[in-house]
Amino acid sequence: SQQGEEDPQALSIQEGENATMNCSYKTSINNLQWYRQNSGRGLVHLILIRSNEREKHSGRLRVTLDTSKKSSSLLITASRAADTASYFCAPRGTSYDKVIFGPGTSLSVIP
Amino acid sequence: DTAVSQTPKYLVTQMGNDKSIKCEQNLGHDTMYWYKQDSKKFLKIMFSYNNKELIINETVPNRFSPKSPDKAHLNLHINSLELGDSAVYFCASSLERNLEQYFGPGTRLTVT
Repeated sequence: SQQGEEDPQALSIQEGENATMNCSYKTSINNLQWYRQNSGRGLVHLILIRSNEREKHSGRLRVTLDTSKKSSSLLITASRAADTASYFCAPRGTSYDKVIFGPGTSLSVIP
Repeated sequence: DTAVSQTPKYLVTQMGNDKSIKCEQNLGHDTMYWYKQDSKKFLKIMFSYNNKELIINETVPNRFSPKSPDKAHLNLHINSLELGDSAVYFCASSLERNLEQYFGPGTRLTVT
């Protein structure tokens, strides 16, 4: 099992700007998952990218994966105030792994 | 049509009491989890069940006991509650162990 390390820890941007957050991990993975948590709510799964994929899109979200650098990035384009939340990455190895969540990136989108 | 539901949403109780939190998922998933999120927002896994079988049992006090009566339910029973048990507890489920997880809304437990 391994923990993803999100960077930066906090990010503040204006509405309409793009937000990029990064995730690094240490050992080989089967897939990597991104989650969002709004204040006081449960985590919501955003995107799962498999180790043989390099990029994946979902609406305004774009996730990239570089297995040679053991890193992933989440890009939110044209941010909205509703995107204000904490974002977590979860690198997954074998099916026997447990998810270890890091401290996340706290994103504030200012209207 | 809630996917993962937890009850109660809020739980305020005194030290020494015993309480249970219930979790149900209607997604047909095989794996369910309990997480604890403390005041610093770190989310830590406590237990995981796969097809009613315990597969992850982290180092938590044995006052915490999960029970899975069937694949769709994973309840958490806590004996002799302590102040340090105050946290938000999240239930989650996934189709398979390393696929994406679906979280419940959380149960905010306050021990006074």
